[in-house]
This record gives sequence, structure tokens and C-alpha cells, in this order.
Amino acid sequence: GQQLNQSPQSMFIQEGEDVSMNCTSSSIFNTWLWYKQDPGEGPVLLIALYKAGELTSNGRLTAQFGITRKDSFLNISASIPSDVGIYFCAGRDHNQGGKLIFGQGTELSVKP
Amino acid sequence: DSGVTQTPKHLITATGQRVTLRCSPRSGDLSVYWYQQSLDQGLQFLIQYYNGEERAKGNILERFSAQQFPDLHSELNLSSLELGDSALYFCASSFRLAGGTDTQYFGPGTRLTVL
Repeated sequence: GQQLNQSPQSMFIQEGEDVSMNCTSSSIFNTWLWYKQDPGEGPVLLIALYKAGELTSNGRLTAQFGITRKDSFLNISASIPSDVGIYFCAGRDHNQGGKLIFGQGTELSVKP
Repeated sequence: DSGVTQTPKHLITATGQRVTLRCSPRSGDLSVYWYQQSLDQGLQFLIQYYNGEERAKGNILERFSAQQFPDLHSELNLSSLELGDSALYFCASSFRLAGGTDTQYFGPGTRLTVL
């Protein structure tokens, strides 16, 4: 199935460190979304981006919609233990309806 | 809590069997999406319904079918189950058909185990 290229696959960091992850696509998207998934739970929406070049923050999280519309990044500043989980990027092409194309996920581990 | 509910939470069944997964969207949402999450394929879009009508299809097997009822809840039917169908199945809902600032909210999922 179709997937976005998300990197890194996993990260092991110390509490207080900043984190950066990104997604790239071979095709253009109109919307980029970032979700977090905890074990046994559904993905929870963190940030939604709707315009190329848009930079949006949600607390310690900041995400950007790439100017080419083919990429996006998510930064987490001053990580804390509850940031642990799997982060997914997702893109949507409005010409293909509402379906989301997901990245493979970045598994984040935070050492206290 | 996203407002999307899914039942059951867990389902264990045997190969060849048929199961039905149920989803209730957030209040006011008209679109329902089904996704499959497996270790090897990640999160994959299966199908979308909007106000009772099928509107988009993804990587959904012919053994799988879905429908959305007048009260907007949706069911995903999986038949002739195989070991490889074991996965997490998520339902998501949104207000619009597509586009704009429409955002999908996911339910807690149903974990299907086929033995």
C-alpha cells in the first residue's frame, strides 16, 4: 500500500532534549496532519496544516507544511516522559477524496 | 476521547469465519473512514462513506465490505478470514466529504486476531 517516507524510524532521547522528525512524499498534498499513537489506542491528532509554508504550534509541538507541498516536519521541544509514543505523519490530496496516506511512524522513547 | 466509538475492542476468531466491526462517528460527522493497521503495512485506508454512500475505496479486499446506516453508524464486515487479516482496524470520522480544513478523528480501534 501507499505510504509516505517518514524518518527517523525510532529515536531514543534524554528528557529535556528537542526532537525533530519529517515526512516526504513523491506527490503533492493539500493537507498534512501529525498524529500520536499510544499502545492499544487510536491515533490522536496533534497538528493540522492546510497551506504550503504554514508553520503551526501546539504547546511544545511545532509543525511546518513544506513549500513544495511534498514534505512536512514536526519538532518537539523540551521533551518529557509522556511524549513517548509513535508519531505519524499523514497527507491528503483533495483530488482523491478524504483518504489519508500515512508515514511508517517514528517511535519516540524518552529517558528520564 | 475523540468522540468516535468502536466495538468490540478485541475480537478473536478462527480462519474462515466472518466478523462485523461497528463504528459510531462523532456527533454531527457525516464521513466515516475505515483503516487497517498491521505491522508490515502500517496504516492503510480501506474505504470511506459519506452520508450513507460509498465515496472512496482504498486497499480493501473483496472479502471485506462496509456500509453506513441512516443513523450514520458504520459496520465493516470481514469474511473468509485469513491469518493475515489479523490487525488493528480503526474507524475515523469527519464532518465533510473531503477537502478544506476537514479533519479526521480516530476511534480506539478493534484488535482482530485470527487463529
